Amino acid sequence: EIVLTQSPGTLSLSPGERATLSCRASQSVRNNYLAWYQQKPGQAPRLLIYGASSRATGIPDRVSGSGSGTDFTLTISRLEPEDFAVYYCHQYGRSVSTFGQGTKLDIK
Amino acid sequence: QVQLQESGPGLVRPSETLSLTCTVSGDSITTYYWSWIRQPPGKRLEWIAYAYYSGSSNYNPSLKSRVTISIDTPKNQLSLRLSSVTAADTAVYYCARHLYDSSGYYYDAFDMWGQGTTVTVSS
Repeated sequence: EIVLTQSPGTLSLSPGERATLSCRASQSVRNNYLAWYQQKPGQAPRLLIYGASSRATGIPDRVSGSGSGTDFTLTISRLEPEDFAVYYCHQYGRSVSTFGQGTKLDIK
Repeated sequence: QVQLQESGPGLVRPSETLSLTCTVSGDSITTYYWSWIRQPPGKRLEWIAYAYYSGSSNYNPSLKSRVTISIDTPKNQLSLRLSSVTAADTAVYYCARHLYDSSGYYYDAFDMWGQGTTVTVSS
């Protein structure tokens, strides 16, 4: 089973700033099948990025994903108030997919 | 607009069987693959199983001996049964749709989720 470790655990930033979230895998993720989700309190996760760098439908271009192999990054440029939430990475390159423990992005 | 709605008992006694249903509206359940995912309090998300209307399915080995996933095509519903539950099965349970992109491939990422249903295992 691939273990995903996200860092930092909490990231405190102000609106307008740039957020960089990291996800490291214990083994190489096949075909870079790595997704990112946003979750707000009491809501279901929302797909942001799949295939490490492809934006899901309706996701603005200030949200971007990068990386390959074992190291992946989610970048949100120019933070908006609605961006403050918990973010999860998710690898789906194996028959058993696994999630990271999450990074909380909160307002400074 | 496609919507997913989970339903089931909020409280289940230890050693009993948990049964959940996800009703899909706005599209045919035969179009996509579907999964159950859960999130225990304070813990990371855990994929449980997926199913396709044709009968294809896959299970997380950590739960496989206790889990059954199925699709009722006429009712457009996805179901989950988890037997011999313990307190460790307390979680929010989500149903989710697998991503299908323009290239014609299904992926095990999830582009649509239900709101989730909270299940507590307690006597």
